[in-house]
Amino acid sequence: GAVVSQHPSRVICKSGTSVKIECRSLDFQATTMFWYRQFPKQSLMLMATSNEGSKATYEQGVEKDKFLINHASLTLSTLTVTSAHPEDSSFYICSARGRGDTQYFGPGTRLTVL
Amino acid sequence: GQNIDQPTEMTATEGAIVQINCTYQTSGFNGLFWYQQHAGEAPTFLSYNVLDGLEEKGRFSSFLSRSKGYSYLLLKELQMKDSASYLCAVLHNDYKLSFGAGTTVTVRA
Repeated sequence: GAVVSQHPSRVICKSGTSVKIECRSLDFQATTMFWYRQFPKQSLMLMATSNEGSKATYEQGVEKDKFLINHASLTLSTLTVTSAHPEDSSFYICSARGRGDTQYFGPGTRLTVL
Repeated sequence: GQNIDQPTEMTATEGAIVQINCTYQTSGFNGLFWYQQHAGEAPTFLSYNVLDGLEEKGRFSSFLSRSKGYSYLLLKELQMKDSASYLCAVLHNDYKLSFGAGTTVTVRA
């Protein structure tokens, strides 16, 4: 149990385009979903917290207009990187929390902006 | 704020034991997680400690001392597949996780 999927696993896009990443909890309802970013050889940095039916809360320094988060249902959250630039290239990982404290992570999405 | 420290790298021999320490200074502490992360992959859950003491789960054990702000992950009977990064993460009262920088463990034959 506690499987989280992410799509796509890899994406390459041109600078200035927007990219949408989906995060789904497959076998449980996620009360909260989290979005992280991880640069090479660094740890995970929390970007935002997403609760179903409400606006996401962003960590300090994360631009909410650039990283749009929609938590449409208890099993789906999306992250849209708008007007992507090369500095946005990173490994984006979502996690989902059900009733307990444990966060289960998706497999990650590697974004490369040319 | 929070400060989570763990060693950057550790090397051990196949079949040996390795202990990864994690110290933390944080507000709103609710528990401590250990995750394993292979290169290019997402973290996978290993253990969760809320109360003081040792939690044993097969070859992996995790210990927590809340009063000392200290935890360790113990890996026994090391296998080559255990070569990975091990992340210490503090759970806050708002259910957010703060991660340490990770410890890269290399298992040698």
